[in-house]
Amino acid sequence: DQQVKQNSPSLSVQEGRISILNCDYTNSMFDYFLWYKKYPAEGPTFLISISSIKDKNEDGRFTVFLNKSAKHLSLHIVPSQPGDSAVYFCAADQGAQKLVFGQGTRLTINP
Amino acid sequence: EPEVTQTPSHQVTQMGQEVILRCVPISNHLYFYWYRQILGQKVEFLVSFYNNEISEKSEIFDDQFSVERPDGSNFTLKIRSTKLEDSAMYFCASSGGTGIYNEQFFGPGTRLTVL
Repeated sequence: DQQVKQNSPSLSVQEGRISILNCDYTNSMFDYFLWYKKYPAEGPTFLISISSIKDKNEDGRFTVFLNKSAKHLSLHIVPSQPGDSAVYFCAADQGAQKLVFGQGTRLTINP
Repeated sequence: EPEVTQTPSHQVTQMGQEVILRCVPISNHLYFYWYRQILGQKVEFLVSFYNNEISEKSEIFDDQFSVERPDGSNFTLKIRSTKLEDSAMYFCASSGGTGIYNEQFFGPGTRLTVL
């Protein structure tokens, strides 16, 4: 089941620069998307979400972009900080209150 | 800030034994969920619960699994006869609104080890 894919298992970015995490999906019935951040030995922490009627949602340093025609979304973090180092999960929902997660991307912010 | 809590943080059990994983969702939330993550794999949906009944379940959630909200605060996942492949992190989540889409807030997880 590869309905939600994060093709980059890891990403390394310098502190202060922009981090861009990508996510693709195949199920056109998905219409709500979320990003979660996860530290080791903790549960996923909600970061930001977007519904399919929008193409952008911004919250502080975090912006999520949605391209429905390409079935692609991305999370931009700017500026990146050392505390942003974590695993980031993309998740999708089709109104069933059942999230489908990607495999995660491990982001490392280098000082 | 309100948060989802889970107990125990780590549970070790013998194959074939019953386990109960416990969760206290955020107090004014209406939807409750269980997910699991096998080591090195994706977080997978197991079940959602609303208005005292299961609203969705995955194919993983077979007859060995059950959920219950025994009182106004706890939400439990029971595995009747554990198998080795049930070893995973189990996450409880809750969401609050009555809209179609609501952010789910996750607990810290229970690591289940089946020997």
